Amino acid sequence: GAGVSQSPSNKVTEKGKDVELRCDPISGHTALYWYRQSLGQGLEFLIYFQGNSAPDKSGLPSDRFSAERTGGSVSTLTIQRTQQEDSAVYLCASSLARGGSQETQYFGPGTRLLVL
Amino acid sequence: SQQGEEDPQALSIQEGENATMNCSYKTSINNLQWYRQNSGRGLVHLILIRSNEREKHSGRLRVTLDTSKKSSSLLITASRAADTASYFCATASNTGKLIFGQGTTLQVKP
Repeated sequence: GAGVSQSPSNKVTEKGKDVELRCDPISGHTALYWYRQSLGQGLEFLIYFQGNSAPDKSGLPSDRFSAERTGGSVSTLTIQRTQQEDSAVYLCASSLARGGSQETQYFGPGTRLLVL
Repeated sequence: SQQGEEDPQALSIQEGENATMNCSYKTSINNLQWYRQNSGRGLVHLILIRSNEREKHSGRLRVTLDTSKKSSSLLITASRAADTASYFCATASNTGKLIFGQGTTLQVKP
C-alpha cells in the first residue's frame, strides 16, 4: 500500500500566522510520531500518538504547538502564531503496532515550513 | 535533545570504496538503529541492532555495537553514487520515540 504522506510539501507563511500540517500514516499503523528537523537543532522528537491519544508530548517546544489525531489515522500538527525559529522540516512517521523500541518507523517526505 | 555524536560530520569517497561512520550515545539502550536521508526529506530505516548483538549485516551494510563504549559504527562496502545521503543513528525509548545523532553526510563520487 501507500507510504506515509504529508501535506503540504512546502509552506511559506508570515510570522504570527497559524499553520496546519497534515500526516496520513500507513493504513493500519496505530503508532504515529512527529519530528522536526532544523539546521540548528538537528532531528528532534515532538509527539507520539498511540491510536488517538498522545501519551508522550514531551517534545513539543511550546504551547503554540499542538497536535491531534482522529479515527486512529490522520494527524494534524498545528503551530499558532508562528515564529521564525519554527522554520524547519516537519517529519511524520508511523509504525505498525503499539510503538516501542523494536518497531520500524516509516517516515513521510516531510513538510518544509518557512516563516518569514 | 540529541543522543550523541556522529563522526565524521562529512565524508567524501570514490565509488567502490568503503565508508565508515561512527555514532556514540549517552544512555542505556534496547537497540540502536541507522537511517538514511536523501535530500533533507524523509528518512529510510536501514538496520536495527539489539543491545545484545555485537554485529549485524544487511546486504552491503555492516553495523557494529559496543555497549561498553556506548558506540556503534556503520560500514557501507563497495559504495555507489546512489549511497550519497545523510546517515543518522538513533536510539529508541520504550514508546519508540527516536533520539537521533547529528548525522554524517556522505558523498560518493562516481
